[in-house]
Amino acid sequence: AQRVTQPEKLLSVFKGAPVELKCNYSYSGSPELFWYVQYSRQRLQLLLRHISRESIKGFTADLNKGETSFHLKKPFAQEEDSAMYYCALSDPGSYIPTFGRGTSLIVHP
Amino acid sequence: GAGVSQSPRYKVAKRGQDVALRCDPISGHVSLFWYQQALGQGPEFLTYFQNEAQLDKSGLPSDRFFAERPEGSVSTLKIQRTQQEDSAVYLCASSSGQRNTEAFFGQGTRLTVV
Repeated sequence: AQRVTQPEKLLSVFKGAPVELKCNYSYSGSPELFWYVQYSRQRLQLLLRHISRESIKGFTADLNKGETSFHLKKPFAQEEDSAMYYCALSDPGSYIPTFGRGTSLIVHP
Repeated sequence: GAGVSQSPRYKVAKRGQDVALRCDPISGHVSLFWYQQALGQGPEFLTYFQNEAQLDKSGLPSDRFFAERPEGSVSTLKIQRTQQEDSAVYLCASSSGQRNTEAFFGQGTRLTVV
C-alpha cells in the first residue's frame, strides 16, 4: 500500500533562514508526487509537482528514488510562507492522491 | 464555475441524525474525490468517482457512509446515524483525470456531531 510520511508536525524558522520540509513515501513503482499548501483560511491548493521540475514561490522539491524522498526546500523563508504543507502521492493507475499528515511551517519576522 | 464548491460550509448534527454533504466539482472534471480530515491530520481518502462510476470506496469508514454522483457532476456524501467520531472536515476535490494533474479542492464542510 502507498504511504506518505511527513515526520515533522511543526517547523518554526526565522525570516531569511533556509527551510526543508521532509517527505518520505512508500510505493512500489514510479509514483507521481506533489506538494500542496494550505494558507490560513484558504483551500488546499497545489504548490508544485515533481514531473514539472519547477520552482514555485522559491520552493523546489527533488525526487530521490533511492531514499524514497521528496523534500521541499526554500533557501530563504518569507513570512508569507507560513502555512500547512502536505506531501501527496498519486497512484499512476487510479490517480487517487494519498496525503501525508502535513507540516505546519511558521516563519517568524 | 470558479472552482469546487461545497455546501454547507458548516454543519452541526445531533448524534444519530443523518447528514448530506454536497460537492459541485469544476465543470468537465472527470474525477471526483472525497476526503475526511480530522483535526491535526492530513486528508484521509474516502471514495473516488470517475464520471458517475464509483471506482473506489475503500476509505469509507463504515456502512453508515454512502456517496453518489448520479449524473457524473454533483456528488453527495451521506452519513447516516452520525456519531461523535464523524466530526471532521469533509473535503471534496476534482481533477481532469489525467496523469500528473492536480486535484482542485473545495473549501470543505466542517461537521460537528454533538
